[in-house]
Parts: sequence; C-alpha cells; structure tokens
Amino acid sequence: EAGVAQSPRYKIIEKRQSVAFWCNPISGHATLYWYQQILGQGPKLLIQFQNNGVVDDSQLPKDRFSAERLKGVDSTLKIQPAKLEDSAVYLCASSLPGSGASLSAQYFGPGTRLLVL
Amino acid sequence: RKEVEQDPGPFNVPEGATVAFNCTYSNSASQSFFWYRQDCRKEPKLLMSVYSSGNEDGRFTAQLNRASQYISLLIRDSKLSDSATYLCVVNQGGKLIFGQGTELSVKP
Repeated sequence: EAGVAQSPRYKIIEKRQSVAFWCNPISGHATLYWYQQILGQGPKLLIQFQNNGVVDDSQLPKDRFSAERLKGVDSTLKIQPAKLEDSAVYLCASSLPGSGASLSAQYFGPGTRLLVL
Repeated sequence: RKEVEQDPGPFNVPEGATVAFNCTYSNSASQSFFWYRQDCRKEPKLLMSVYSSGNEDGRFTAQLNRASQYISLLIRDSKLSDSATYLCVVNQGGKLIFGQGTELSVKP
C-alpha cells in the first residue's frame, strides 16, 4: 500500500517569497493533517481536514498560511510571504475517520524541509 | 506549563541496557495516548498505543497513570536499531499533542 506522498522534499527560499507544498494521502483516508515541526520540537498541528472541510485550523497563522483540499483527496499548504521563523519541516499525515477518544492512527509523509533565508 | 512534557535527553546507553522514558501531560481530560518513534530526518511512526492497564509489545512496555497524568515507555535489551527520538503523544479532544521528544542513542 502506498504511503502518504509529499513534494517537494526540500525547498530553499528567501524571506517574503511564497512557497507551496503538496500532499497526497493514503487512499481511503478521509482525514488529512498538516503539521509544522521545528528542529528540536515535536510536530505541531496547523490544520486538520475531514474530506474537504476544515475541522481545526486554530493554530494556523492565517495572515500568511493557507491550505486547501478541494476534492477531498490531495491538499496544498501555502505560505505567503515567508518569514525566517517558518524554517521547519512540514509534515502531512492522514488517517481513517475517527474523533474524540476513537482517533485513528495517523500515518505521516516524509515531509518537506523548508529553509527561509 | 507545556501540554506534554518529556525527559529532555539525550539518553546514551550500551546495547542490551534497559531504558525508560517519562512523559507528563497537563490536561486531565486527555482521552488516549501513544508513543511515536522518529528516526533522524524521517517522519514520525506510531510505535504503540498506551492503555490504562499497561501494554507490552516485545521489548517495549508502555504504562499510563491517569491519576498522576504520567506516561512511560520501557525498552528492554536495547538494540542499535532502537536509536531514534521517541515522541510522547496525547489525544486532546481529537487533536494529537506531541511532546518535544527524547533522543535515544544505543552504542555497541
């Protein structure tokens, strides 16, 4: 079974530029997550989708970050404009539907490593 | 206080050693608990869920103490391949909250 796919794997940009990341979840996984992992820290949830609807985006810096999942499958995360502190690994994860105590196991993609200069 | 806090590490142990990682969480309403493993420059992968009664998977034992809001992971007979960062993860209202991770290095 194919895992979660992400691209690009690496990206270097200058501050104030824009960048977009793409994620293709495991087939049949209705729930998709974007996480930000800064070096030395655990992943932090940015946004969660259930099919093409947003479940939780409370920690997404909406002034510069946006995400969409138009057809309930692939998703893109965009940063515009980027800041130095956005340098991190952006992880996409997917899971079968589940909520509350019945949260399903999440499977992570390899991540996109972003460096903002 | 951090929502999920782990031993700072790193832990450097010889092969065959037993090592224990500790984790505390702040929200008593947390619903479920997990340990994830993350190899260097790789994505996190689910190692095991943690149940109230404690559970074991081969050399790995996880325990949960809800009263103390404390989770532990014990690794027996450490292997070189166990070298990784171990992430304590708590489900709060359907959202996973990750600890900062504890790095383990197993030496020959």
